[in-house]
Amino acid sequence: AQRVTQPEKLLSVFKGAPVELKCNYSYSGSPELFWYVQYSRQRLQLLLRHISRESIKGFTADLNKGETSFHLKKPFAQEEDSAMYYCALKVSNQAGTALIFGKGTTLSVSS
Amino acid sequence: DADVTQTPRNRITKTGKRIMLECSQTKGHDRMYWYRQDPGLGLRLIYYSFDVKDINKGEISDGYSVSRQAQAKFSLSLESAIPNQTALYFCATSDLRRGEAFFGQGTRLTVV
Repeated sequence: AQRVTQPEKLLSVFKGAPVELKCNYSYSGSPELFWYVQYSRQRLQLLLRHISRESIKGFTADLNKGETSFHLKKPFAQEEDSAMYYCALKVSNQAGTALIFGKGTTLSVSS
Repeated sequence: DADVTQTPRNRITKTGKRIMLECSQTKGHDRMYWYRQDPGLGLRLIYYSFDVKDINKGEISDGYSVSRQAQAKFSLSLESAIPNQTALYFCATSDLRRGEAFFGQGTRLTVV
């Protein structure tokens, strides 16, 4: 079955603390994963994709195929990081490709 | 950035009414999607389309229908709205090669 699991609905941290947003996936094909972010009253936007192995706004995510995980990490959280974060998996079938999303994790960073 | 535009942005409708949510895009992408966002349930795929002649059901298509009028337009209809269809609806397009999705600003629908 194709599935993306984000086990935490809410993650609350203090400014300057490390952050790890968990994402696990289930997919029989070769996985391609993404993290999307939704700031308050804004549209969802791509934060990063595993293929590019980039760091955006201090966030990184490494694909671990052995653990089927793609956790999002940042060493020092900032208040402006407060948002909803979605992990997404690109899946392919006979019809084509689509993105399926996890249920999302709300990150709250307080001072 | 108005590459993906949804109308209306907010709508309140009564139970049993038919309502259409519209989406247009200027990104030139073939692929378009409708998602529904609910607290605690995240984003769930309703319908998706890979070109004008292609429509596919997503995870939660019951009670919804779609129309792909042109490459740039993809509308979502609720034939007979019910209160549990109250949600935030997002339209998205995607670039096949990169797999990245681009979202509209959302339509907040309330069914009373």
